[in-house]
Amino acid sequence: GAGVSQSPSNKVTEKGKDVELRCDPISGHTALYWYRQSLGQGLEFLIYFQGNSAPDKSGLPSDRFSAERTGGSVSTLTIQRTQQEDSAVYLCASSFSVSSDRRTQNTIYFGEGSWLTVV
Amino acid sequence: GENVEQHPSTLSVQEGDSAVIKCTYSDSASNYFPWYKQELGKGPQLIIDIRSNVGEKKDQRIAVTLNKTAKHFSLHITETQPEDSAVYFCAAKATSGTYKYIFGTGTRLKVLA
Repeated sequence: GAGVSQSPSNKVTEKGKDVELRCDPISGHTALYWYRQSLGQGLEFLIYFQGNSAPDKSGLPSDRFSAERTGGSVSTLTIQRTQQEDSAVYLCASSFSVSSDRRTQNTIYFGEGSWLTVV
Repeated sequence: GENVEQHPSTLSVQEGDSAVIKCTYSDSASNYFPWYKQELGKGPQLIIDIRSNVGEKKDQRIAVTLNKTAKHFSLHITETQPEDSAVYFCAAKATSGTYKYIFGTGTRLKVLA
């Protein structure tokens, strides 16, 4: 597609339920990021995927959060047993891979975000 | 750990005036500095970026300056218009050894007509 696509755009869920958020990156982009943006706050890194390498999960706030990326393209972020503090905008971004000589900087492009509200 | 401080958190200017947003980074290995604009209900969009081998970059009404010695960089918007109203984020990233972008906390810019 023309840009990073995320779904759903809005999700209201009851506390304790599981949610899945989907990200479809820009075609050809091998790097994929998930960020979280709480109301009025900055962007909090959650997880990073690069090709077939093991993902960097260091930003996931708890073991209720998990993400996968199938076939090197679409990614799903899953939040189990949601809590009210999970309410936020979940942003996905993608880029071409960092070049092997690391001299080429590849810009990341964000999707519109998935607005999650836990009630 | 690495962090990026961004100031001010909110900024109101009259239409036609200039706006300046400043960021300071801690990681001396950082050498790529993009700026993103986020309109209400939308994801952040890249508006301009600068690499460490350049001190200034301009694109129409938008310019970014970088002072590597002081580890700070700034976004300058001239002749502001109401459609410039948005939240602006700065970010810093090192070329080697990391793919993580460290974002500032954002500046809410309001351009008053």
